[in-house]
Amino acid sequence: KAGVTQTPRYLIKTRGQQVTLSCSPISGHRSVSWYQQTPGQGLQFLFEYFSETQRNKGNFPGRFSGRQFSNSRSEMNVSTLELGDSALYLCASSPVKGASSYNEQFFGPGTRLTVL
Amino acid sequence: ILNVEQSPQSLHVQEGDSTNFTCSFPSSNFYALHWYRWETAKSPEALFVMTLNGDEKKKGRISATLNTKEGYSYLYIKGSQPEDSATYLCAFSNDYKLSFGAGTTVTVRA
Repeated sequence: KAGVTQTPRYLIKTRGQQVTLSCSPISGHRSVSWYQQTPGQGLQFLFEYFSETQRNKGNFPGRFSGRQFSNSRSEMNVSTLELGDSALYLCASSPVKGASSYNEQFFGPGTRLTVL
Repeated sequence: ILNVEQSPQSLHVQEGDSTNFTCSFPSSNFYALHWYRWETAKSPEALFVMTLNGDEKKKGRISATLNTKEGYSYLYIKGSQPEDSATYLCAFSNDYKLSFGAGTTVTVRA
């Protein structure tokens, strides 16, 4: 099976712009979660989608949004970019509902976003 | 915010030596404790998902224990090899999300 893929791998934007990141989960996986990693920080949970519905959201401002399509592919959007949004954004898929409990997460390689 | 702490932040190990490090997490509302290995330029890879107090899991030379009552887990690497060099992340689950620690970066010197 192909792994989780994320596009693009690298992105450079300027403050005030918006950006869309894409994540294709492993075939058959219906849950997609997004995480942000900044230097010195652990992975911070952004949100989780299951069957096209956002089930859970972390403590991030409304500038961070996402969606999931019927084929389970997910996109994450960040509007009005700030310098502090520079980070590695990882998505992870799981075969069942919930980024939690007994379900290991399968991570993609990440998108490195740099905001200038 | 769920405080998941890992210590030490980094450690250097001589090839062939064994080592261990700690993950501390809230002892209330426990669902599961995950361990991931994250090698440079790769994706985090799941090692273990542990759910029961007293759980011990093993994969090759790597093993982990879990104490949910006191809120800690140990990861052990026996006979470290250069390919064990990575950042090891633990993550606490309270059902709907994973809260990650900042990781322990292990460097194995040949």
